Amino acid sequence: DTAVSQTPKYLVTQMGNDKSIKCEQNLGHDTMYWYKQDSKKFLKIMFSYNNKELIINETVPNRFSPKSPDKAHLNLHINSLELGDSAVYFCASRSSGTQYFGPGTRLLVL
Amino acid sequence: GNSVTQMEGPVTLSEEAFLTINCTYTATGYPSLFWYVQYPGEGLQLLLKATKADDKGSNKGFEATYRKETTSFHLEKGSVQVSDSAVYFCALGDAGGTSYGKLTFGQGTILTVHP
Repeated sequence: DTAVSQTPKYLVTQMGNDKSIKCEQNLGHDTMYWYKQDSKKFLKIMFSYNNKELIINETVPNRFSPKSPDKAHLNLHINSLELGDSAVYFCASRSSGTQYFGPGTRLLVL
Repeated sequence: GNSVTQMEGPVTLSEEAFLTINCTYTATGYPSLFWYVQYPGEGLQLLLKATKADDKGSNKGFEATYRKETTSFHLEKGSVQVSDSAVYFCALGDAGGTSYGKLTFGQGTILTVHP
């Protein structure tokens, strides 16, 4: 059973489009995160939700909007995609101080 | 704010060599420290962690000791294998308050092990 899953795994799209990435965790955790990994492998937190409530928003452009329909899901919607949004996006969930990561979504904006 | 500095890579070793990847941190309070590993084309996997000073985390032959006096959490393995080739990330978990365990990552160190 996959603990933290993301869809899609790969996403290739044109500049200006709107796209969504979905994340689901079956671990029963209350806290979920989105991270961005750039081309140099650097990882930076974007958002965190605790029990469907936004608790961390790290200076991310407002073209990025997270949504948590329930505590097992945290989706990321991106409007008006730009070339610089090309990256790998990781979802994670947390329990007992440890974060568990999904496999990542590789986004390429052309 | 919090920050993590890792040894610059890439690191290239022969099989069975000794590995050290240095990691130092700056933080307020008493954070938890982690090493994550990312194999090619995959997500991050927790390798080991330590939650307080002098704790030693260990897993799969890797180990790291939480040194508060030197603010370090260096990763070591006595004998690396080709299958250890990956990117290794040192990370710091916020100590609490309203941060909800936000992780701050180092820049990652690429390790390549040759037969």
